[in-house]
Amino acid sequence: GQQLNQSPQSMFIQEGEDVSMNCTSSSIFNTWLWYKQDPGEGPVLLIALYKAGELTSNGRLTAQFGITRKDSFLNISASIPSDVGIYFCAGQRQGGSEKLVFGKGTKLTVNP
Amino acid sequence: SAVISQKPSRDICQRGTSLTIQCQVDSQVTMMFWYRQQPGQSLTLIATANQGSEATYESGFVIDKFPISRPNLTFSTLTVSNMSPEDSSIYLCSVGQGSGETQYFGPGTRLLVL
Repeated sequence: GQQLNQSPQSMFIQEGEDVSMNCTSSSIFNTWLWYKQDPGEGPVLLIALYKAGELTSNGRLTAQFGITRKDSFLNISASIPSDVGIYFCAGQRQGGSEKLVFGKGTKLTVNP
Repeated sequence: SAVISQKPSRDICQRGTSLTIQCQVDSQVTMMFWYRQQPGQSLTLIATANQGSEATYESGFVIDKFPISRPNLTFSTLTVSNMSPEDSSIYLCSVGQGSGETQYFGPGTRLLVL
């Protein structure tokens, strides 16, 4: 099935650094979502984006819905050790009746 | 967001057996989804479960292998039938909620098939 192109695949950073990851697609999505998955847990929704060009923040997290509707990025500012985990982007063409298409994930490691 | 629980949280099973995974939501939802996450991989949709109708399966997944029930608006089950080691995965249910029907996930069921 289709997958989104998510990069980077992994990141190793120092505590306090900023992080940026992105997802691209060859087709248009009407919703972009960013999830974080901790070991042994299900994905937890971080940010949902519903409009092209939308820029949304949630604490130290900021995400944008690309103007072409084919990409999105997630920034984490001033990283802390609890930011460790796998971050997934997901695209959705319609509303909740439409399946999510996931990126392969970005594994983030934060060194204290 | 909805509170979603899954049972069992984990299991170790013998090949050739079947396991039924339960998903319970604390509010009524129209759409429930079942995903598989193989070790170190991303999530792949198995099927969409609507109450009162048969589940809709994605390419590569069939009802005989992954029968699904959706008896009411707060509950669904996924059965992994005639298991093989390749079925070792995390199985996750999700529901759509809110104005955008954003999907929220349960904690997952970790299955190991020996």
